[in-house]
Amino acid sequence: DTAVSQTPKYLVTQMGNDKSIKCEQNLGHDTMYWYKQDSKKFLKIMFSYNNKELIINETVPNRFSPKSPDKAHLNLHINSLELGDSAVYFCASSRKGGSTEAFFGQGTRLTVV
Amino acid sequence: AQSVAQPEDQVNVAEGNPLTVKCTYSVSGNPYLFWYVQYPNRGLQFLLKYITGDNLVKGSYGFEAEFNKSQTSFHLKKPSALVSDSALYFCAVRSGGYQKVTFGTGTKLQVIP
Repeated sequence: DTAVSQTPKYLVTQMGNDKSIKCEQNLGHDTMYWYKQDSKKFLKIMFSYNNKELIINETVPNRFSPKSPDKAHLNLHINSLELGDSAVYFCASSRKGGSTEAFFGQGTRLTVV
Repeated sequence: AQSVAQPEDQVNVAEGNPLTVKCTYSVSGNPYLFWYVQYPNRGLQFLLKYITGDNLVKGSYGFEAEFNKSQTSFHLKKPSALVSDSALYFCAVRSGGYQKVTFGTGTKLQVIP
């Protein structure tokens, strides 16, 4: 039973396409996140939702749109994909509160060609 | 604002020797500090955290970390390194009133047999 699961694991697509990555957690956590890890392994937060409400929205192009249908799911939709969007995208979840650790999914490796 | 620095891109250590992976931080207010490990093609896994109390924190797989307020450091340590400890290690910080967790740039640990 995977705690935080993302699909797909790999995604290869052409520039200009629209794609979605899905994330689900079965931990009962209130807070979910999307992180981007670039080719140098730098990890940056993109979005955070708490109980379906957006609480963190970093300076991410508005081609990226998160959607949280319920507190167990946080999907990421990307419009008009660009070469620079190629990265590994991680979903994570945590209990509410600053002192709680996050649980990460396996990642989705997005390659834009 | 908050920030984390991991001054070493890579740390090499012989199997059986003690290891240290360095982390310094900057926050306003009291910090919550975390260490995560990332194995190749995997998501991050939580190792340990400092919230309050004892400055020496013990975590998974025999790792520990020491919180030093005066030096604003939170170095990760292990008394005897294993080859299987080879991975990418991330330090992270969150200050009490701040929603966002900031990750360091990561340190690659290579344990040599």
